[in-house]
Amino acid sequence: QVQLEVSGGGLVKPGGSLRLSCAASGFGLGDYYMNWIRQAPGEGLEWISGINWNGDTTGYVDSVKGRFTISRDNAKNSLYLQMNSLRVEDTAIYFCAREEVRIETMPQKRPLPPKTIYYYYGMDVWGQGTTVTVSS
Amino acid sequence: DIQLTQSPSFMSASVGDIVTITCRASQDITSYLAWYQQKPGKAPKLLIYNAVTLPSGVPPRFSGSGSATEFTLTITSLQPEDFATYFCQHLNNYPRIFGPGTKVDI
Repeated sequence: QVQLEVSGGGLVKPGGSLRLSCAASGFGLGDYYMNWIRQAPGEGLEWISGINWNGDTTGYVDSVKGRFTISRDNAKNSLYLQMNSLRVEDTAIYFCAREEVRIETMPQKRPLPPKTIYYYYGMDVWGQGTTVTVSS
Repeated sequence: DIQLTQSPSFMSASVGDIVTITCRASQDITSYLAWYQQKPGKAPKLLIYNAVTLPSGVPPRFSGSGSATEFTLTITSLQPEDFATYFCQHLNNYPRIFGPGTKVDI
C-alpha cells in the first residue's frame, strides 16, 4: 500500500526547534521529488519546501529560508524537515507529499548540447499531516 | 516568484450544477499547473496536472483547460462529494506556490 506517514509534530515555544519525519511505504522514495506543505488553522495550503530525487536541489518559501532545512535519506525511505527558530506564525498542520517528475534528454543539432525537458505530474500521494503548535 | 489568484474565493452551488473555477498566474507558466481538492480535516487530493490531465481514478466530470496565465477547472454535474475547497498550484519552479483556494459550498 502506497502511503506516507508524518511524525514529529508537537507543542514548542517560540525560538524552539522540531524535526518532522515522513516515512514512505509501498514505493521507493528515491524515485520521487518530495515536498512539505503546511496549512495554518482556517487557512489555505502553503508549499514550504521541496527536494529533488537525490537531494542536491532544494527549494524554500521565503518565510522559512534560513530557518528550515529539508533533507532525505533514500536508504531509509524517509524525508525530514528540521525547523529551527520557530515562530508563532509557523503553527499549522504539516503535510509531506510526493511528486513525480520525469526528465527526457533530446539530442539537438551540433554544436548544440542535448536538451533536457522536465515533466511534472503533480503531488499525488500525501501524508496525513502532523500538527505543530508554536506558543509560549 | 510566481503568484496565483483564484476566482471566485467562495461559491454556493447545488447538486447537478456546472461549476467553473479560474486560476490566474502572474507570469506565463505554460501548462505547468495542477488542481487539488481538499475536504475538511483531510489531506488534499490531486485532481489534474499539466493543466488538463486527470490522474487515474479521478471522475471524468472534472476537467481542466487553459495555458500560459489563465486556467480553468470545470466540474460538470456537481455531486454531493464534490463540496470541498479547490486549489491550483504551479509546478515547474520553486517555490511551488498554491492559489488561495475556492470553497464550493451548498
